[in-house]
Amino acid sequence: QVQLVQSGSELKKPGASVKVSCKASGYSITTYGMNWVRQAPGRGLEWMGWINTNTGNPTYAQGFTGRFVFTLDTSVNTAYLQISSLKPEDTAMYYCARADNYRVYLTYYYVMDSWGQGTLVTVSS
Amino acid sequence: DIQMTQSPSSLSASVGDRVTIPCRASQSISKNLNWYQQKPRKAPNLLIYGASSLESGVPSRFSGSGSGTDFILTISSLQPEDFATYYCQQTDSYPHTFGQGTKLEMK
Repeated sequence: QVQLVQSGSELKKPGASVKVSCKASGYSITTYGMNWVRQAPGRGLEWMGWINTNTGNPTYAQGFTGRFVFTLDTSVNTAYLQISSLKPEDTAMYYCARADNYRVYLTYYYVMDSWGQGTLVTVSS
Repeated sequence: DIQMTQSPSSLSASVGDRVTIPCRASQSISKNLNWYQQKPRKAPNLLIYGASSLESGVPSRFSGSGSGTDFILTISSLQPEDFATYYCQQTDSYPHTFGQGTKLEMK
């Protein structure tokens, strides 16, 4: 059974860094890509980007370049999101979500079919 | 970037109602459109992919339609557990933008 388990809540001061983990079980992490999604308090979902877990190549949405880094440790079947130089506006729930391609006749559709439970990162002095 | 617009941002309905939730893309995305349901303090859950295909395990009262720029999520007979926020997401091009969500509330 596919499961993504994320690390616990974090309270950080502005300027600090944080590393959120997302441990996959029930499958090999190199088989499916991994997305990251942010949700600020009371707000909607923002797609941050994804990492190709086969090549390690990340793709970042605009607004998530520079301070945000997606990495992997395939030896422990885990993906990571690192955020540096934290700002109060980074306060949010961060989700990892597995990428898959579902086939309908001859067409493939990209989906996020399994999600972690979310990690709340709070940035406050 | 492709902008996804969901309006209204909230909708009131009663158990048993037929509900439609619209989503519009700023340019054609073919059928590269997914719908997610999110309940409070929970991760989102995939409902519909490819605009109209039902994810395994999702009740058949949920359906999706549309292609190009205009899409609709329909709940044929609203159940108590369906009160949640619904997001559309385009996967036609990067970034895979979400709509701002439609919150379904009890009337």
